Amino acid sequence: IAGITQAPTSQILAAGRRMTLRCTQDMRHNAMYWYRQDLGLGLRLIHYSNTAGTTGKGEVPDGYSVSRANTDDFPLTLASAVPSQTSVYFCASSDQDRGSYTFGSGTRLTVV
Amino acid sequence: SQQGEEDPQALSIQEGENATMNCSYKTSINNLQWYRQNSGRGLVHLILIRSNEREKHSGRLRVTLDTSKKSSSLLITASRAADTASYFCATDRSSNTGKLIFGQGTTLQVKP
Repeated sequence: IAGITQAPTSQILAAGRRMTLRCTQDMRHNAMYWYRQDLGLGLRLIHYSNTAGTTGKGEVPDGYSVSRANTDDFPLTLASAVPSQTSVYFCASSDQDRGSYTFGSGTRLTVV
Repeated sequence: SQQGEEDPQALSIQEGENATMNCSYKTSINNLQWYRQNSGRGLVHLILIRSNEREKHSGRLRVTLDTSKKSSSLLITASRAADTASYFCATDRSSNTGKLIFGQGTTLQVKP
């Protein structure tokens, strides 16, 4: 089934630890995105990639890094997690000709 | 900063009634999109309306766009209990094409 796969589904992480959230798509979409969703704040863009080999910063990039080595994968890394990074993280992709996004099911991350 | 603001924040109606949600935004856009999110799930794209369009239909959904007022509305006709979800508008800004900015969402409850 075509779509986006995120892993893990949920994670409890000790503050200060490093964590990589995985995102893989099989639709050959050029663009990929990472959002975090927090109650009362909606979805906020963390980082994006318009095409393999390029990345850019969104609204809330601090504390996060991404890489885009190929079209399918777009991992999000928290180098040293802090409690304020407790959130639900969504990966998305888009075929820029269509404009709409396809979202993964999310990763619920709790930093304690 | 949030580009889109939805109104109302929460809406509760009876099955069979129509539900109207509104979205206002601040800057020029290429298109505006509506997404649905069921509890604990990812967002699902519903409909996209381009800046040169005024109205669009898809099944029981009707979206309008007024670029002079920088606002959009989503109408769900003959609502069903299965329409219970959160609904988000998202704007593709002219100044930052391809990267959607989401509002905080409207939570819709349809009572059977």
